[in-house]
Amino acid sequence: EPEVTQTPSHQVTQMGQEVILRCVPISNHLYFYWYRQILGQKVEFLVSFYNNEISEKSEIFDDQFSVERPDGSNFTLKIRSTKLEDSAMYFCASSEAFVGEQFFGPGTRLTVL
Amino acid sequence: GESVGLHLPTLSVQEGDNSIINCAYSNSASDYFIWYKQESGKGPQFIIDIRSNMDKRQGQRVTVLLNKTVKHLSLQIAATQPGDSAVYFCAEIMEYGNKLVFGAGTILRVKS
Repeated sequence: EPEVTQTPSHQVTQMGQEVILRCVPISNHLYFYWYRQILGQKVEFLVSFYNNEISEKSEIFDDQFSVERPDGSNFTLKIRSTKLEDSAMYFCASSEAFVGEQFFGPGTRLTVL
Repeated sequence: GESVGLHLPTLSVQEGDNSIINCAYSNSASDYFIWYKQESGKGPQFIIDIRSNMDKRQGQRVTVLLNKTVKHLSLQIAATQPGDSAVYFCAEIMEYGNKLVFGAGTILRVKS
């Protein structure tokens, strides 16, 4: 069964450093998303992406965040200068349709020290 | 702002019993709802979805009920098993959009 994959599973970084979180969505999906989940809290939407453009972004997704689809398979989330409060699980998701089941990856746990 | 919320943070049931997990939503413009299951250390896993033009949808051992009048969503799990133990989230998508807005989550504990 096709699945969304994410690397790394755990990333530890120093405050102020740049991190890139990587995702490989399901191959025939067209819509891609990043969500995050701070420990013990609910999953929050960050950004949606379609046709090489951001479709929608949340207030969390400020100028420190960017997304990219550098090739036909990868989808990345970059945080330029990490803050302590960026520590969270980051989930990538993809969907075949604009509105429909979103398949989630296993997540990357980001720890900012 | 409008959000999805849950009534019960923790639900404990005996193995074999039926479970009902509830969710209240406040956004009347939402037209698509999904229930996700999240096990420890894993990403949300799709369970079942329902569109606003329906009031009931059944899957394997699961049923989702939607009451638009009172803006209430429920997930029924029949013959609950230990493997059903997880956190369950309801999520909604508003009309014309495709971002998921998640509720706070309910912990389901199944006692053997």
